[in-house]
Amino acid sequence: GQQVMQIPQYQHVQEGEDFTTYCNSSTTLSNIQWYKQRPGGHPVFLIQLVKSGEVKKQKRLTFQFGEAKKNSSLHITATQTTDVGTYFCAADGGSQGNLIFGKGTKLSVKP
Amino acid sequence: DADVTQTPRNRITKTGKRIMLECSQTKGHDRMYWYRQDPGLGLRLIYYSFDVKDINKGEISDGYSVSRQAQAKFSLSLESAIPNQTALYFCATSDLRDPSEIQYFGAGTRLSVL
Repeated sequence: GQQVMQIPQYQHVQEGEDFTTYCNSSTTLSNIQWYKQRPGGHPVFLIQLVKSGEVKKQKRLTFQFGEAKKNSSLHITATQTTDVGTYFCAADGGSQGNLIFGKGTKLSVKP
Repeated sequence: DADVTQTPRNRITKTGKRIMLECSQTKGHDRMYWYRQDPGLGLRLIYYSFDVKDINKGEISDGYSVSRQAQAKFSLSLESAIPNQTALYFCATSDLRDPSEIQYFGAGTRLSVL
């Protein structure tokens, strides 16, 4: 079945450093979503990308969708301790009508 | 999301016991999902339902069953719990009319099977 591979699994950064997580698929995706799960919390929707080459920004977060619509990235500039959590990408499961989640990247930020 | 309520929030049970996890939502969404989260494995889909009469198996349905009692209620049952079903379980909903298919998650149920 369809899979989305997400790397890295863990990332430890010093506060103020940048952070990037990547999501890759072997098949063309119709769209991709990103979710954030704070420690002890539940996944919360951040954004959806639909168009080839699309770039969207939310304050210090930049989301990109690849030209071939097979990969996506989330970049955080100048991380803060409030960025701590696990970031998941999720792709449309196609005819099944559900989402396929990546395994997530767990970000820790050292003050 | 407070509109998606999971009960109980925590549960400890013994091997072989039957347990039910419940999910209710006030969002008026048609679609409901059950996921399991294990460290390093992300979110894996157990079952999903697109309306009251629709039940679909997900990636890891073995050992689980579900019931969609009403549009607002979707329950997950473990007929005979085993230790490797110890995990964090999430219910989620989405709106059939939303082309973005955003999913809204409950707070989760932490289950321990001894």
